[in-house]
Amino acid sequence: KAGVTQTPRYLIKTRGQQVTLSCSPISGHRSVSWYQQTPGQGLQFLFEYFSETQRNKGNFPGRFSGRQFSNSRSEMNVSTLELGDSALYLCASSLWSPSSYNEQFFGPGTRLTVL
Amino acid sequence: KNEVEQSPQNLTAQEGEFITINCSYSVGISALHWLQQHPGGGIVSLFMLSSGKKKHGRLIATINIQEKHSSLHITASHPRDSAVYICAVSLTNTGTASKLTFGTGTRLQVTL
Repeated sequence: KAGVTQTPRYLIKTRGQQVTLSCSPISGHRSVSWYQQTPGQGLQFLFEYFSETQRNKGNFPGRFSGRQFSNSRSEMNVSTLELGDSALYLCASSLWSPSSYNEQFFGPGTRLTVL
Repeated sequence: KNEVEQSPQNLTAQEGEFITINCSYSVGISALHWLQQHPGGGIVSLFMLSSGKKKHGRLIATINIQEKHSSLHITASHPRDSAVYICAVSLTNTGTASKLTFGTGTRLQVTL
């Protein structure tokens, strides 16, 4: 079974631009979560999607948004990029049920550099 | 104070040594995760625990819910175990297991 895939793997943008990152979950997984990792703040939760609905959101400004499609693939978008948005963006997928907690499987990440 | 604290931050061991990494948390959790991150960024989930102990190969993870503490043990360490080990928790008040709160990680280097 193929793992979680993320595209692109590397991206260089300039301040003020916007960027869209893509995540394809493991087949059969309907929950996708996004995380940001920076040297200063470590790993932080961005948001989670299930059945095309955002179920939870971390403490990030509105410039960070996402969506999930009917095939469970997810995209996140960052508008008006700032230097501080340079980070490794990871997505993770899992089976989901309301009454239990499931292991998350992480993708390789997209390394975004903002110049 | 961070909700999830790990110790030590850095650890150097010789091949074959028994290694312990500790994680303490200060909030109610539904599950605790141990993750491994190699240089280059990819993260692998090692364990997800809500009670007791789990073992996979040379790795053992334990959790004590009353003491809000978990340990990750590596027996007979090997240079390929060199990585950053991250403890993460699913908080009980978030309504979802996927909103993980992370520790700062323990950087392990195993030398020959």
